[in-house]
Amino acid sequence: AQSVTQLGSHVSVSEGALVLLRCNYSSSVPPYLFWYVQYPNQGLQLLLKYTTGATLVKGINGFEAEFKKSETSFHLTKPSAHMSDAAEYFCAVNKAAGNKLTFGGGTRVLVKP
Amino acid sequence: EPEVTQTPSHQVTQMGQEVILRCVPISNHLYFYWYRQILGQKVEFLVSFYNNEISEKSEIFDDQFSVERPDGSNFTLKIRSTKLEDSAMYFCASETGFPGDEQFFGPGTRLTVL
Repeated sequence: AQSVTQLGSHVSVSEGALVLLRCNYSSSVPPYLFWYVQYPNQGLQLLLKYTTGATLVKGINGFEAEFKKSETSFHLTKPSAHMSDAAEYFCAVNKAAGNKLTFGGGTRVLVKP
Repeated sequence: EPEVTQTPSHQVTQMGQEVILRCVPISNHLYFYWYRQILGQKVEFLVSFYNNEISEKSEIFDDQFSVERPDGSNFTLKIRSTKLEDSAMYFCASETGFPGDEQFFGPGTRLTVL
């Protein structure tokens, strides 16, 4: 069975500050890892993914995440927050393409001017 | 850019009524999913569908739920007799199934059971 834990259901950052969202996973097989973003009243949009290869992955809107197998983590970062980054962010895992996603609880990001 | 679409965007129904939520996946995708998100909770997997049959379902997906791909383009979720606790946002997703590909999500249907 797989599980995902996101530390912090709410994060508040100042515009221009570092955004760091934490995700830890549990998986019995090498995982595929994803970060999705949900803007108000919209569906889930993929930010970035790790499947194989380079452990530092870059996504849209300046976000990146690093897969650390030893720490079972896939934390999401962005060097400088923008007001448009205010949204809810979900970390998710599955064992391969064609398989269900298991989601973390989500982290809502508030960006202060 | 191709996208997953869902209708209706909002559905209000009375407890005990049947509802059908509709999804049009991306045309060359082979795997289809339904997830739900109860307000304030995490996104939960309901069911996956491949090659015209259910490939996996969760404990939530009991006999009150069914899925169908009636015409090769639509993918539907039916709830036969809705309960108050079925109130949630329902998301449809689809993917190619190719290694490394991700699931694409629709905008969701908000179901309210009164």
